[in-house]
Amino acid sequence: SQQGEEDPQALSIQEGENATMNCSYKTSINNLQWYRQNSGRGLVHLILIRSNEREKHSGRLRVTLDTSKKSSSLLITASRAADTASYFCATCMIYNQGGKLIFGQGTELSVKP
Amino acid sequence: NAGVTQTPKFRVLKTGQSMTLLCAQDMNHEYMYWYRQDPGMGLRLIHYSVGEGTTAKGEVPDGYNVSRLKKQNFLLGLESAAPSQTSVYFCASSRSGRATFGSYEQYFGPGTRLTVT
Repeated sequence: SQQGEEDPQALSIQEGENATMNCSYKTSINNLQWYRQNSGRGLVHLILIRSNEREKHSGRLRVTLDTSKKSSSLLITASRAADTASYFCATCMIYNQGGKLIFGQGTELSVKP
Repeated sequence: NAGVTQTPKFRVLKTGQSMTLLCAQDMNHEYMYWYRQDPGMGLRLIHYSVGEGTTAKGEVPDGYNVSRLKKQNFLLGLESAAPSQTSVYFCASSRSGRATFGSYEQYFGPGTRLTVT
């Protein structure tokens, strides 16, 4: 698997249900970021969680990070049709004064009204 | 604030033609990036810049050139377009931090859809 691999690739749920997306990675990271992309638009940053953090919340979003398992999850509670989008995790590795930010291939979420 | 803007939104080129994509940001960010997004490949970094007058290669730089003459603008050039460069191109910017990438969130433009026939 590559760095920052999302699971599942596609998810279809009903409005009001919770949506959980997972991201796994291979090497140690400095932080992990989640982005949303609506069809035909640019990516929008959702949450950044640092390697020394285990959980972060933002509105209906909850992100967890388990560095021992090299995985993160994004939970969207009480989903809405407007949450329909692709969701990407991006893993950040910092070394010396440089670094890398690698995006996964994304999870396509469809929320049916 | 407009954030990050890109022009043009769409473009069709014939093989061998050249063009320049313009990215502008009004957030006074030091760092700017050009990505391409292809189905099943995620986002791949083409070139980036850590400040006015500086540029560096990313993951897939071949066939592209960039310039950052002004802090707010980052130009991506295709010298001789090829069908393999058909893609959606995104520009992004971020604050400067301890590392070139990832210290802070990136702000993306709306994208340019390029087709090379």
